[in-house]
This record gives sequence, C-alpha cells and structure tokens, in this order.
Amino acid sequence: DAGVIQSPRHEVTEMGQEVTLRCKPISGHDYLFWYRQTMMRGLELLIYFNNNVPIDDSGMPEDRFSAKMPNASFSTLKIQPSEPRDSAVYFCASRPPTGFASTDTQYFGPGTRLTVL
Amino acid sequence: KQEVTQIPAALSVPEGENLVLNCSFTDSAIYNLQWFRQDPGKGLTSLLLIQSSQREQTSGRLNASLDKSSGRSTLYIAASQPGDSATYLCAAPSQGGSEKLVFGKGTKLTVNP
Repeated sequence: DAGVIQSPRHEVTEMGQEVTLRCKPISGHDYLFWYRQTMMRGLELLIYFNNNVPIDDSGMPEDRFSAKMPNASFSTLKIQPSEPRDSAVYFCASRPPTGFASTDTQYFGPGTRLTVL
Repeated sequence: KQEVTQIPAALSVPEGENLVLNCSFTDSAIYNLQWFRQDPGKGLTSLLLIQSSQREQTSGRLNASLDKSSGRSTLYIAASQPGDSATYLCAAPSQGGSEKLVFGKGTKLTVNP
C-alpha cells in the first residue's frame, strides 16, 4: 500500500487566497483525521470523519476552514480566505475500523507545508 | 479536558546510552496510549500502542510502560543509535475510548556518534 497520500507537499500563497489541501487515505480505513502542526501549539486535531461523515469538527479554528469527504478515498481541507497565521504543516491521517485492536493506531501522511505571505 | 505533557523538550545523548522519555496525561480514564516518532519534514510513524490492560509494550530496543493511576508513561530506548535521532510524541485519547487523540509537544532526541 502506498500509505496516506497528501498533495501538494508545499504550498505558498498570498493572504486572501483560497487554499485546498488534498488527502487520499489508506484503502479500507474508515477514519480520516486532519491535523495542524505549529511550533507554538504542537499537533492539533482539526476534524475527523468516520465512513465519510464528519464526527467532530470542534478543532476547526473558524469559518474560514472547511473539510469534506465526498467518498472513502478522498478528502479536502479548504481555507478561504487564507491568513498568515494559517501557516503550518497540515497532516492527514487514516485509521482502520474499530475492533482491530492491534491496529488502533493512526497512519499519517507526509504533510503539506503551507506558507501564507 | 485531556492534556499531555512531555519532558524534556529536547535531549542529547552519546551513542550507546540507554535513555527514558517521559509523558504525563491528566485524564487517566484512557483505554490506550501511543508513542509516535517524527523525523524532520516527515509525518508521524507509530512506534508502540499500549492498551489500558497492559503495563508494558516492547518492540526491539523500545519499551513503553503505562501507569494509569499516576497518569504517566515512559518510553525506554536501549543502546541508542544515531538513527534514533528524531522527535518522539506520545498521544492519549481525549476522552476514554475516543478516537480523538491529544498529542504532547514531543521530545527532540539527538544521539551523537
């Protein structure tokens, strides 16, 4: 398996522009998580889906952020409009169905480094 | 609200030394705890997952322990190697059996040849 795939790997944009980050989870995994990592705040959960349905979006910082999962193999995180304080590394992770106790862990993608100027 | 703290934030050791990384969590009603490794510019890789019914979990030179009553976990690395240099993060569920994980800020380990 290719693992969790994220694109783009790097994104540089100007304040006010729309940014779309993409994620393809591991096949067969039914949980998908979006995280943001900064030096100041560490790794923070933004939102997670189960079977393509958003379960908890309490970590989404504000209405400028939105996430969708139209099918089991694709998810997007969109920021509109982007601001300099959104600069961070954004990770997507996926997890197998609950019950496979030995594989309750999450599998992370390589991340997208976002810079908003 | 679950909070996870890791001490120290950074650690530098000579090759071959045994070392311990510490993790503390505030909500002990968890059903597992995980340790991850992050290399520079990369995503996180799971190292060990300890179920609440276990006290230890081992993988090669790594041994993780869990003490729910005291809200602590340790990651022991034996005979450290330069390839062990990375940031190590621990993560606990935000609430009991929740799929939501709360991560510590990590310990950056440098193993000097």
